[in-house]
Amino acid sequence: GDSVTQMEGPVTLSEEAFLTINCTYTATGYPSLFWYVQYPGEGLQLLLKATKADDKGSNKGFEATYRKETTSFHLEKGSVQVSDSAVYFCALSDRQGNNRLAFGKGNQVVVIP
Amino acid sequence: KAGVTQTPRYLIKTRGQQVTLSCSPISGHRSVSWYQQTPGQGLQFLFEYFSETQRNKGNFPGRFSGRQFSNSRSEMNVSTLELGDSALYLCASSRTENYGYTFGSGTRLTVV
Repeated sequence: GDSVTQMEGPVTLSEEAFLTINCTYTATGYPSLFWYVQYPGEGLQLLLKATKADDKGSNKGFEATYRKETTSFHLEKGSVQVSDSAVYFCALSDRQGNNRLAFGKGNQVVVIP
Repeated sequence: KAGVTQTPRYLIKTRGQQVTLSCSPISGHRSVSWYQQTPGQGLQFLFEYFSETQRNKGNFPGRFSGRQFSNSRSEMNVSTLELGDSALYLCASSRTENYGYTFGSGTRLTVV
């Protein structure tokens, strides 16, 4: 079935550092891809999305490009802030009539002042 | 505009009891999905409703059920609660799968 793999372990970095979170996927067809963010005690917020190959999703300084050839959708931000500390989830929707999201395990990001 | 509203925010139940959680989607969103989030299993899809019909179901036992009303509001029910049902239950609504899903803040269920 469809699946999403995120890099293992939390990510700890200093304020203004460059952030990359890797995400690869396995899916039949051409899924839509998403990044969600979860702050402590809250639900998920859609951060950005891309619906076809080579699309770049962007929001609040975060970017991710839909790479069909490498089945990847890595999240990047050039200069993180303490307020970016949260858990980040990569997800896909297969668009094959199955209106469901398959999520990666998530990555805890901690930004130190 | 109002987001996805889930009630209650917190619940404590005893093993063997049943529980009903409620979700009000964003106005105009006809698809409502439910997810279970636990530290061990992460985010897992429970089911999805569209126009009062269950369109998709995840790999959960029959103790987990749901329904959707004509105003798109949805409820999920868990019967004969087990300790392992302790989780954050998230509801999401959408217009279409490509549009993106908006999540509520969740209901934190604790089974003791």
